[in-house]
Amino acid sequence: NAGVTQTPKFQVLKTGQSMTLQCAQDMNHNSMYWYRQDPGMGLRLIYYSASEGTTDKGEVPNGYNVSRLNKREFSLRLESAAPSQTSVYFCASRPNRAENTEAFFGQGTRLTVV
Amino acid sequence: GEDVEQSLFLSVREGDSSVINCTYTDSSSTYLYWYKQEPGAGLQLLTYIFSNMDMKQDQRLTVLLNKKDKHLSLRIADTQTGDSAIYFCAESKNSGGYQKVTFGTGTKLQVIP
Repeated sequence: NAGVTQTPKFQVLKTGQSMTLQCAQDMNHNSMYWYRQDPGMGLRLIYYSASEGTTDKGEVPNGYNVSRLNKREFSLRLESAAPSQTSVYFCASRPNRAENTEAFFGQGTRLTVV
Repeated sequence: GEDVEQSLFLSVREGDSSVINCTYTDSSSTYLYWYKQEPGAGLQLLTYIFSNMDMKQDQRLTVLLNKKDKHLSLRIADTQTGDSAIYFCAESKNSGGYQKVTFGTGTKLQVIP
């Protein structure tokens, strides 16, 4: 009963370091998403993958890259972390792009860049 | 603009009804959602409403949509301490071939025993 699993749960980076946030879902969903959550700003879409093999930019893609490794996994990479990327990152998946399908969220990765 | 606005905080007594309000600006939104986020957890979909509906009821939850005023509300009847969480409204519309979902800032609901 895993759903959407994100790793790590917490991470502290120094400015300029790189890291990859991992996300995996076991629900055979086609669409996967990466959001960041900042106080007073709700969730903002970074990148999404409508299906295996495709990725597209969301609202705030700058400073990030993604890889849809296979149908299960969708990773988010920060090549050179900046303090402005301090945030809580959520991965989500849904069966397809249809609007009336539920999005399932991971528990989040709290990232601090110092 | 495409902002979704919510008040940041609501405090109610256990057993009372809670009403969380949301305003949105995009009249072409097709679905509107309410998500619940408990501390340290991701978002969980509570309910959603299609834009041509006025009301949707699901057990203790009632969603009201005033499309003319672009106002969405979530009423929780007989609020319990387990309802304490942050509640996000969100709107979605098709944008350039993908479903763009815009989230509000979240309303933190505090239930006082």
